[in-house]
Amino acid sequence: NAGVTQTPKFQVLKTGQSMTLQCAQDMNHNSMYWYRQDPGMGLRLIYYSASEGTTDKGEVPNGYNVSRLNKREFSLRLESAAPSQTSVYFCAISVDYSTEQYFGPGTRLTVT
Amino acid sequence: AQSVTQLGSHVSVSEGALVLLRCNYSSSVPPYLFWYVQYPNQGLQLLLKYTSAATLVKGINGFEAEFKKSETSFHLTKPSAHMSDAAEYFCAVHGSGNTGKLIFGQGTTLQVKP
Repeated sequence: NAGVTQTPKFQVLKTGQSMTLQCAQDMNHNSMYWYRQDPGMGLRLIYYSASEGTTDKGEVPNGYNVSRLNKREFSLRLESAAPSQTSVYFCAISVDYSTEQYFGPGTRLTVT
Repeated sequence: AQSVTQLGSHVSVSEGALVLLRCNYSSSVPPYLFWYVQYPNQGLQLLLKYTSAATLVKGINGFEAEFKKSETSFHLTKPSAHMSDAAEYFCAVHGSGNTGKLIFGQGTTLQVKP
């Protein structure tokens, strides 16, 4: 997980509250990704940013927004949290589209 | 569209026994394939990757995987399991287009019994 940091590590929200998950990297990689992990479903891509200044939807984007603030930072925002968004969220980075991804330690989010 | 299927959500082996975790993929183009490992309460760590250079790929911690195009498989093996190998393992393939998106399998939990 070296080079990718995520904050916070844990968060509990009430339904309807908003929050932003932060991801930062110090590896100067171009591409950044947000995944969610749910039991028995592997990891599913929420949004990604192929390069600074661009973002695109992944497999499960509904209820989320993202911002690629600069090359280092890629944030994920939940505007109105729902219990279905209870999950573990991972940020990942890669040099470009053809290389492996490196993952952060994750944020465990519970929405009650 | 690319997809990945991992056969068996749980695999249990004895310490010292062969580890075999199965992964089949579907891809319309030569794929980039990956195996990741996740220890409890941690992020994913890359075990190995296939990028068409060689069909037998060696990774970290004594793991290796063989790419078999005819079988569309990329099974992960280790000759002798160690207690520290207990974790969840994910197979992944690059999605279509030049975006780097990974498509993950559902994961296989490996239990190692003493």
